[in-house]
Amino acid sequence: DAGITQSPRHKVTETGTPVTLRCHQTENHRYMYWYRQDPGHGLRLIHYSYGVKDTDKGEVSDGYSVSRSKTEDFLLTLESATSSQTSVYFCAISEPGFTQYFGPGTRLTVL
Amino acid sequence: AQKVTQAQTEISVVEKEDVTLDCVYETRDTTYYLFWYKQPPSGELVFLIRRNSFDEQNEISGRYSWNFQKSTSSFNFTITASQVVDSAVYFCALRTPSVSNDMRFGAGTRLTVKP
Repeated sequence: DAGITQSPRHKVTETGTPVTLRCHQTENHRYMYWYRQDPGHGLRLIHYSYGVKDTDKGEVSDGYSVSRSKTEDFLLTLESATSSQTSVYFCAISEPGFTQYFGPGTRLTVL
Repeated sequence: AQKVTQAQTEISVVEKEDVTLDCVYETRDTTYYLFWYKQPPSGELVFLIRRNSFDEQNEISGRYSWNFQKSTSSFNFTITASQVVDSAVYFCALRTPSVSNDMRFGAGTRLTVKP
């Protein structure tokens, strides 16, 4: 299994508060991704990174920002959480053009 | 546009039955990759298979087999002699490198195997 961890694994927060989720890898893969999983939608890409400080938007990027200051860490920030951002968040890693491997997920509830 | 359709929302079978999960995809690209992932009740996403558009050979891995047909834009997944441990949500996904770096997932099929 790919060495990917996510923290926290569970979080409950209130509307309007900032939230940061962390993804950490030990595989030295170049690409890292953040997805959200919602019933009826499968997984949808939020943002991805193709190198340190190189990021781009995905399909559902509004309300989210990311940062990658080291190869091994990719942070997802919700600047002001809303109830519509209640979801399960998955991080994934890959080498360019190769299969994506996923972390264990973070369940976020915004009250 | 890229799109993946898994028309079966939920399937329930009895142990030892064979079951096929359907996946239909849409893309205008000639180069693309198809994937299946399994999400057991514990929640993690487990990679099962990757197939590129130039390789239409069907694949078998133990009780699992995959049928890729470009003519019908389908990449179906069959579990033979299903077991309770096969109970999970299965996702089909499509990646077309020329369009973007993300994978487009289907909505998933929840398979329940009853003893």
